[in-house]
Amino acid sequence: EAGVAQSPRYKIIEKRQSVAFWCNPISGHATLYWYQQILGQGPKLLIQFQNNGVVDDSQLPKDRFSAERLKGVDSTLKIQPAKLEDSAVYLCASSLFSLRQTFFNSPLHFGNGTRLTVT
Amino acid sequence: AQSVTQPDIHITVSEGASLELRCNYSYGATPYLFWYVQSPGQGLQLLLKYFSGDTLVQGIKGFEAEFKRSQSSFNLRKPSVHWSDAAEYFCAVGEDYGQNFVFGPGTRLSVLP
Repeated sequence: EAGVAQSPRYKIIEKRQSVAFWCNPISGHATLYWYQQILGQGPKLLIQFQNNGVVDDSQLPKDRFSAERLKGVDSTLKIQPAKLEDSAVYLCASSLFSLRQTFFNSPLHFGNGTRLTVT
Repeated sequence: AQSVTQPDIHITVSEGASLELRCNYSYGATPYLFWYVQSPGQGLQLLLKYFSGDTLVQGIKGFEAEFKRSQSSFNLRKPSVHWSDAAEYFCAVGEDYGQNFVFGPGTRLSVLP
């Protein structure tokens, strides 16, 4: 099966600019996650979608970050305006997890991430 | 809130030597526990997982992990390390419906020839 696709792989922007990341999950996966991974740290959940609804966005800095998952498939994550501390790898993951599949039996499949550098 | 600690930031072992990576968690009930591996420039790949049953679980690539409730630990082991095992390893803990799925800070493994 095709994996989780993310683009772009790398992005360099200046602070206060805006940027958008795209994620295409594995076909049929109901749940989609965006993680932020700062260098030297573990991934931190930003937002979790189930189909096209938001399950958890408690750690999303909503004053500058936004995400959507139209039609329950692809998703975009936007940062506007970017700050220096937003420099990180942004990982998208998807899983089969839904009301009919337990979380334990629905491992997360990760994309290769987008490395963002804010200068 | 639950948390995960990985006491070792960086470990170096010789190829063929045994490996143990430590993971400790803080959680009130029995958690879902996972180990992921991340190679440079790649996403994370699931190595193994545990929720209940036999406390020694087998994973891919020859890895195993042992759950010890009394020590709140879920350490990852491999009897003989290969050069291709050099990567970053993350322990993670979650709840039944995917809530509060938290990753540890990771342990970077280097393998000497």
